[in-house]
Amino acid sequence: DAGVTQSPTHLIKTRGQHVTLRCSPISGHKSVSWYQQVLGQGPQFIFQYYEKEERGRGNFPDRFSARQFPNYSSELNVNALLLGDSALYLCASSLAHSGAYGYTFGSGTRLTVV
Amino acid sequence: LAKTTQPISMDSYEGQEVNITCSHNNIATNDYITWYQQFPSQGPRFIIQGYKTKVTNEVASLFIPADRKSSTLSLPRVSLSDTAVYYCLVGDPRNYGQNFVFGPGTRLSVLP
Repeated sequence: DAGVTQSPTHLIKTRGQHVTLRCSPISGHKSVSWYQQVLGQGPQFIFQYYEKEERGRGNFPDRFSARQFPNYSSELNVNALLLGDSALYLCASSLAHSGAYGYTFGSGTRLTVV
Repeated sequence: LAKTTQPISMDSYEGQEVNITCSHNNIATNDYITWYQQFPSQGPRFIIQGYKTKVTNEVASLFIPADRKSSTLSLPRVSLSDTAVYYCLVGDPRNYGQNFVFGPGTRLSVLP
């Protein structure tokens, strides 16, 4: 059974560009969350979607947006990229809207902004 | 949001038992304690979750005292492959994800 899959695995973008990151949750999982992890720090919560609706948003600027599709996959979009957006972007899925049973994370997308 | 405090780093030797303690003085009545493990360039992996007393699974045990203001993750007989960052999270599992906050974690180094 496939785990949480993210694409691409690595990405290099230039300042000012935009980027779209994709996530496919575990089959049957209806919740997808996005995290940003800067080197040396713990993951920081960006968004959670459940049943295609935004259920939570972290302290990130409006340049960050996301959506969830009918098949429960999700996209994270970042506009007007800054050097500080360079990070590992993690997607996590769970059965329910909450983390009651623990989140399953993907291996992430490593974004480098130059 | 309950805030957690963990040691920044720990060293151990292969075959030893490792105990990582997390302090969460402001834990709320409905909060659970969850631990994750993360290897470099990978996403965190769920290890164990508990509410009170003791929880054990095939990889770890979680000890939670009666006042629930701290918890201890116990890894029996660690190996080199247990070298990783371990995160303690506290939150109400009925709530949405923003209630589960990752701190900087504990960097465990297992030496031969």
